[in-house]
Amino acid sequence: GENVEQHPSTLSVQEGDSAVIKCTYSDSASNYFPWYKQELGKGPQLIIDIRSNVGEKKDQRIAVTLNKTAKHFSLHITETQPEDSAVYFCAASTNAGGTSYGKLTFGQGTILTVHP
Amino acid sequence: NAGVTQTPKFQVLKTGQSMTLQCAQDMNHNSMYWYRQDPGMGLRLIYYSASEGTTDKGEVPNGYNVSRLNKREFSLRLESAAPSQTSVYFCASSEDPRGAKFFGPGTRLTVL
Repeated sequence: GENVEQHPSTLSVQEGDSAVIKCTYSDSASNYFPWYKQELGKGPQLIIDIRSNVGEKKDQRIAVTLNKTAKHFSLHITETQPEDSAVYFCAASTNAGGTSYGKLTFGQGTILTVHP
Repeated sequence: NAGVTQTPKFQVLKTGQSMTLQCAQDMNHNSMYWYRQDPGMGLRLIYYSASEGTTDKGEVPNGYNVSRLNKREFSLRLESAAPSQTSVYFCASSEDPRGAKFFGPGTRLTVL
């Protein structure tokens, strides 16, 4: 099955700096890569996603890049703010067949702390 | 529009007891999911339902059963709780069957 590795496990930055979180995946058939933000005591929130026919996607201060050859994808947050502090999860899934639908495999998470 | 709601928020069980976790969504989504979250292990899929009337096993289904009661509701049942089932449980839904988009607030379950 799919295996997703996420690094780093913790990341500390100063307000205004950029933050980058990287994930690698094992299944070359994976074609959907979402990122989630989880604040303390809450459920994860989808913040951005990318499909395998796209190399990069941006939404205001966040962007995701995908390198299918190397099987890795990254989340980039620019101009970080204290409210960006949270746990971030990457995930990967494939829709190659009916039994694979919905089976997202998550990374272990990155605790991002943005210091004012 | 409440999104995804879960009940209860907290629950303590004794080993061997049973309980049902309730989940409902008001976004008219076809797909619904149950995940568990354990420290250092991210989220793991227990069961999912691609559409009303269908359910399928995820990564960690042992010890659980599910019911897709209708399009809105998807419940998770623990028939005989074990300490290994101590976790935070999240229900989620999406219009896209590739994976969960909207998560509920979670149920924190402790099995003694």
